[in-house]
Amino acid sequence: KAGVTQTPRYLIKTRGQQVTLSCSPISGHRSVSWYQQTPGQGLQFLFEYFSETQRNKGNFPGRFSGRQFSNSRSEMNVSTLELGDSALYLCASRQGGDNSPLHFGNGTRLTVT
Amino acid sequence: KQEVTQIPAALSVPEGENLVLNCSFTDSAIYNLQWFRQDPGKGLTSLLLIQSSQREQTSGRLNASLDKSSGRSTLYIAASQPGDSATYLCAVPLMDSSYKLIFGSGTRLLVRP
Repeated sequence: KAGVTQTPRYLIKTRGQQVTLSCSPISGHRSVSWYQQTPGQGLQFLFEYFSETQRNKGNFPGRFSGRQFSNSRSEMNVSTLELGDSALYLCASRQGGDNSPLHFGNGTRLTVT
Repeated sequence: KQEVTQIPAALSVPEGENLVLNCSFTDSAIYNLQWFRQDPGKGLTSLLLIQSSQREQTSGRLNASLDKSSGRSTLYIAASQPGDSATYLCAVPLMDSSYKLIFGSGTRLLVRP
């Protein structure tokens, strides 16, 4: 079974631009969540989607948004990029239930110049 | 507010040594605790998930224990190998939104040949 797939692996953008990151969960997994990882803040929760509905959002500005499609694939969008948005963005999926493990993709490395 | 701490931040050991990584959390009301491994520039690989009703979980040379009452978990690695070199992270989900993990800052492990 294929793991969580994130595209692209690397992105370089300039300040003020917007970017869209894509995530394909493990087949059969309906929950997709996104995390931002930076050296200073570590791993921080962005948002989670289940059956095309956002169930919760972390403490990030409205420039960060996402969506989930009927096939469970998810995208996150960051508008008006800032230098501080440079990070590794990780997507995770899980089958469901409070005790099911999260499985992460390899991430998208975003660099904002 | 749940906080997760990992000590030490870095560890260097010779090959073949048995070692223990520590994880502590402030709120003992947890569903489970998950241990991950992260290689440089990569995503997170799920190693073990211990449910709150369990005391330990084993996978190969890895053994994770959980003591909810003291707010601690340990990851024991037997007969360490250079390939075990990576950052190890522990995480617990929030009780009111179990898809949102709170991560420790990780222990960076180097196993010297």
